[in-house]
Amino acid sequence: QQQVKQSPQSLIVQKGGISIINCAYENTAFDYFPWYQQFPGKGPALLIAIRPDVSEKKEGRFTISFNKSAKQFSLHIMDSQPGDSATYFCAARAGGGADGLTFGKGTHLIIQP
Amino acid sequence: KAGVTQTPRYLIKTRGQQVTLSCSPISGHRSVSWYQQTPGQGLQFLFEYFSETQRNKGNFPGRFSGRQFSNSRSEMNVSTLELGDSALYLCASSLVPMNTEAFFGQGTRLTVV
Repeated sequence: QQQVKQSPQSLIVQKGGISIINCAYENTAFDYFPWYQQFPGKGPALLIAIRPDVSEKKEGRFTISFNKSAKQFSLHIMDSQPGDSATYFCAARAGGGADGLTFGKGTHLIIQP
Repeated sequence: KAGVTQTPRYLIKTRGQQVTLSCSPISGHRSVSWYQQTPGQGLQFLFEYFSETQRNKGNFPGRFSGRQFSNSRSEMNVSTLELGDSALYLCASSLVPMNTEAFFGQGTRLTVV
C-alpha cells in the first residue's frame, strides 16, 4: 500500500485557536481523501472528505485544503474547542477502493481550555 | 438508525488459539471492511466483503480470514494467534464497496497472551 504521511504526531492548541494537521501522499491514483476523528474507546468517525477536483471544502468549523500538484492536503479546525480533543487520521483511497483506505499514523490533538 | 455493531468488545486469547470476531453493518449496507489498528502500524486494511464475496485483501498472512453472510453480517477469523496480533480490530460498513462514506464500529480489542 502506498503511504500517507501525517504530521504532526501530537498537537496542543489553545481554546479558540486554529488546529492544523497536514498529510502528504505519493500515489496519484488516490481519488478520495477523508478525515476521521477518533475518541478513546471509539471507532473512527468520518469528519469531512474531499476529492482532488476541489481545492477546499468547508463544513462548519472544519476545512480541508487540497493541493493536487504538491500532493498534500490538510485539515483546519477553526475556533478549536476542548471537545475537539481527539486523534485525527487522514486517509486516502485509490480509485475503486481496491486496497481499502490507506491511513496516516494519526495526530493526537489536545485543546487546552 | 443503529450503527455498526461489533462483538465482543474485548477478548483475551492465548498464543496459538484461534478467534472469531463479528460485525453487523448498518441496516441496508452491503459492504463490510475490516481494519487492524495498533500503536505501531496504525490502521491497516485487512479485507473487504460485498455480497458474500471477498472483494480484496490487504497485506496480511493467510491466518487472517473472513466471510460475509447473506444478511451482510461479517465475521473475521484469526488462526494460530501470535502476540503481535494483539490489536483493535475495526469493522466499517458502507452501502457499496468502499463507498465515499464508511462508518466504523467501536472495534474489538483483542489481547493475545
